[in-house]
Amino acid sequence: DAGVIQSPRHEVTEMGQEVTLRCKPISGHDYLFWYRQTMMRGLELLIYFNNNVPIDDSGMPEDRFSAKMPNASFSTLKIQPSEPRDSAVYFCASHKHRGLLETQYFGPGTRLLVL
Amino acid sequence: KQEVTQIPAALSVPEGENLVLNCSFTDSAIYNLQWFRQDPGKGLTSLLLIQSSQREQTSGRLNASLDKSSGRSTLYIAASQPGDSATYLCAVIDGSGSDSGYALNFGKGTSLLVTP
Repeated sequence: DAGVIQSPRHEVTEMGQEVTLRCKPISGHDYLFWYRQTMMRGLELLIYFNNNVPIDDSGMPEDRFSAKMPNASFSTLKIQPSEPRDSAVYFCASHKHRGLLETQYFGPGTRLLVL
Repeated sequence: KQEVTQIPAALSVPEGENLVLNCSFTDSAIYNLQWFRQDPGKGLTSLLLIQSSQREQTSGRLNASLDKSSGRSTLYIAASQPGDSATYLCAVIDGSGSDSGYALNFGKGTSLLVTP
């Protein structure tokens, strides 16, 4: 398997523009997570899905953020309108629940810069 | 709310040294604890995973221990090499696991530099 795939890898945009980040999880995985990493706050969970259903979005910072998972092989994280403080690295991760021994597999991240 | 702290924030050692990275967490009711490695500009790679009922895990030159009662974990790296230079992140899954969706709660990491 190619692992978790994220696109784009880098995004530079201007304040107020819409940004869409994309993720393809590992085939067969039933959990998908979106995390955000900044120097100040480290890695934080934004939202997670189980079997394509959003379960907990309490980490989503504002209504400007939304996430969807229309099918088992694709998810998007959208920011509209974007602000400079949204600049961060956004990671997607997936895992398959199979008992105690579980780890999450992370994509390479999308580095977002909002000017 | 679970808080995960890693000390030190940065560490520089000469090649060949044995070293210990520390992780502490405030709520001992965890499902498991993991150590990840992050290289600059890259994603995270899982190094070791310790279930809440376990005390330690080993992989090659790496050994991770877990003391749930005191809320501490250590990552021991033996005979460090320049290729070990990276950021090491500690993360816990809280509670029973399923109630938090197996989401990871991360420390801010220790940035390790191993010099030749």
